Amino acid sequence: AQSVTQLGSHVSVSEGALVLLRCNYSSSVPPYLFWYVQYPNQGLQLLLKYTSAATLVKGINGFEAEFKKSETSFHLTKPSAHMSDAAEYFCALSGGSYIPTFGRGTSLIVHP
Amino acid sequence: DAGVIQSPRHEVTEMGQEVTLRCKPISGHDYLFWYRQTMMRGLELLIYFNNNVPIDDSGMPEDRFSAKMPNASFSTLKIQPSEPRDSAVYFCASSGKLGLGYTFGSGTRLTVV
Repeated sequence: AQSVTQLGSHVSVSEGALVLLRCNYSSSVPPYLFWYVQYPNQGLQLLLKYTSAATLVKGINGFEAEFKKSETSFHLTKPSAHMSDAAEYFCALSGGSYIPTFGRGTSLIVHP
Repeated sequence: DAGVIQSPRHEVTEMGQEVTLRCKPISGHDYLFWYRQTMMRGLELLIYFNNNVPIDDSGMPEDRFSAKMPNASFSTLKIQPSEPRDSAVYFCASSGKLGLGYTFGSGTRLTVV
């Protein structure tokens, strides 16, 4: 069985502050991990993915995530938040079946 | 490529009516997925196809739901009869290779009144 837990349904930051969105996973096989972003009234867009190569993965729009096996985590970060980063973010896990399991999502709110 | 194209973007229908949602995947993608998104349940996988063949439909909630993929460039999700609890955003996604990430369409927002 595989599962994804996103800690915090809402995260609020000020523009220019560090963004940290947390994702923990459970998988009985080596996982592939993903972060997707969903802007209002749009579909999900792939931000970045970990597929067992480098543990620090860089994605679009200045986001990056680090795979930490010992902590079963794949947290998403961005050094400096921008107003345009306000969106819903989903962590997803592909295990043995390769069909991803999605987390419940974290809404990122950016204050001016 | 224009990406994954879904139609309609919005659909409002009365309870008991038939609803058909449409999807055109990215050319060359062998996998097509239908998801439903609600506040209560998040993103749920309904069914997925590989090379136009349904592989896993265990997520289809009831017999009222059916999906087809008559060719590599077109898929439909049909609800008959529709009920208010079917109100949700329905996404289609496609992928060239399983496990390496999807491209999602913009979704169809279905409201059943």
